[in-house]
Amino acid sequence: QVQLVQSGAEVKKPGASVKVSCKASGYTFTSYGISWVRQAPGQGLEWMGWISAYNGNTNYAQKLQGRVTMTTDTSTSTAYMELRSLRSDDTAVYYCARGNYGGNSEGRDDAFDIWGQGTMVTVSS
Amino acid sequence: QSVLTQPPSASGTPGQRVTISCSGSSSNIGSNTVNWYQQLPGTAPKLLIYSNNQRPSGVPDRFSGSKSGTSASLAISGLQSEDEADYYCAAWDDSLNGGVFGGGTKLTVL
Repeated sequence: QVQLVQSGAEVKKPGASVKVSCKASGYTFTSYGISWVRQAPGQGLEWMGWISAYNGNTNYAQKLQGRVTMTTDTSTSTAYMELRSLRSDDTAVYYCARGNYGGNSEGRDDAFDIWGQGTMVTVSS
Repeated sequence: QSVLTQPPSASGTPGQRVTISCSGSSSNIGSNTVNWYQQLPGTAPKLLIYSNNQRPSGVPDRFSGSKSGTSASLAISGLQSEDEADYYCAAWDDSLNGGVFGGGTKLTVL
């Protein structure tokens, strides 16, 4: 079945980096984009950015520019999200999600129809 | 402070119809499509409505979406206990050149 499976929970110290993986299966990986969304404890959803699995084009949220990098490995159908210079307010569950229904809009018109199970990232000294 | 504004809570009794509003601006809802997500406690969000009013396969027709100007709404008819969840609206924002979510609405089935 179509699914996204993410890597396990991480605990990091302030200033460190974290890299979360998201392995796709059950569909043609390069036919869809992947977005990353995070959710701080007890808070709402926050869009972090988008990557095309077809050509690697990216679009990052302004507030994360310079700290986040999204990549894909088409040989393993895996997307990655790396966040650097971690702060305590980066503590959150990080989700990857497949973008669909948006055509060739570079993620702009995408709806997120398949979600990973989430990866808890805790930033604490 | 979320870019899209939703009421923090809503409630209804089984069988009732409830609506959840989502207010934005000309740079997001006013010029782009709206999607709605349902998040049950402790789980990943699930897509309920895309492109303002389209239901993905498998989503009951009790759920419907609409958009007018810079606002959108999610309606749930025939409310059921399993509908108790958090609901989020989302859209693209041209000014931010990125996706934005509402703050979420916690729906309680009384």
